[in-house]
Amino acid sequence: NAGVTQTPKFQVLKTGQSMTLQCAQDMNHNSMYWYRQDPGMGLRLIYYSASEGTTDKGEVPNGYNVSRLNKREFSLRLESAAPSQTSVYFCASSEADSNQPQHFGDGTRLSIL
Amino acid sequence: AQSVTQLGSHVSVSEGALVLLRCNYSSSVPPYLFWYVQYPNQGLQLLLKYTSAATLVKGINGFEAEFKKSETSFHLTKPSAHMSDAAEYFCAVSALGGTSYGKLTFGQGTILTVHP
Repeated sequence: NAGVTQTPKFQVLKTGQSMTLQCAQDMNHNSMYWYRQDPGMGLRLIYYSASEGTTDKGEVPNGYNVSRLNKREFSLRLESAAPSQTSVYFCASSEADSNQPQHFGDGTRLSIL
Repeated sequence: AQSVTQLGSHVSVSEGALVLLRCNYSSSVPPYLFWYVQYPNQGLQLLLKYTSAATLVKGINGFEAEFKKSETSFHLTKPSAHMSDAAEYFCAVSALGGTSYGKLTFGQGTILTVHP
């Protein structure tokens, strides 16, 4: 029972490099989300996708792009990584209703030197 | 607009003592409220949720929370702490409608330490 799967689990980048974080869910959820977690700041929403084919900015979208490839997959891309993007990134998915909980992956720990 | 404030970034209790983690919210529309727990190097797991049914909500691992509209609070409690409860806890609010529909806003988190 995989739930939400994120790859890779760890990554170290140099400033200016690009990379894509992958996320896939097997719960047939309509909505998917990308968050970043920084100490003392909780989780902040980067982008979300309410349904296949749609994406919207969250609280901290600058420096990121997303693609909702299909209903299962939602990727996050850093085009030119900056040290300020060092963080732990979480993907989540949920049913479309706002009273339904979000299910989280185990995170990607990203360090940018 | 919606926001969540968790009072106390660190809470320390003895094993067997009461656990009380505080959460206050702000929302312009009726809220849905959630508590999540995060163990080291893991993602967030749902503890419990309030979705306008009973104001006292029971969750997993013996935790419960009470929705108090007059105090805009949703504090998390557990009568007797166990060593395995040591983790970081997050309160989150989701809006029923408006521009925030379906999106979660998280508090800053509270790290719970349990001493033997």
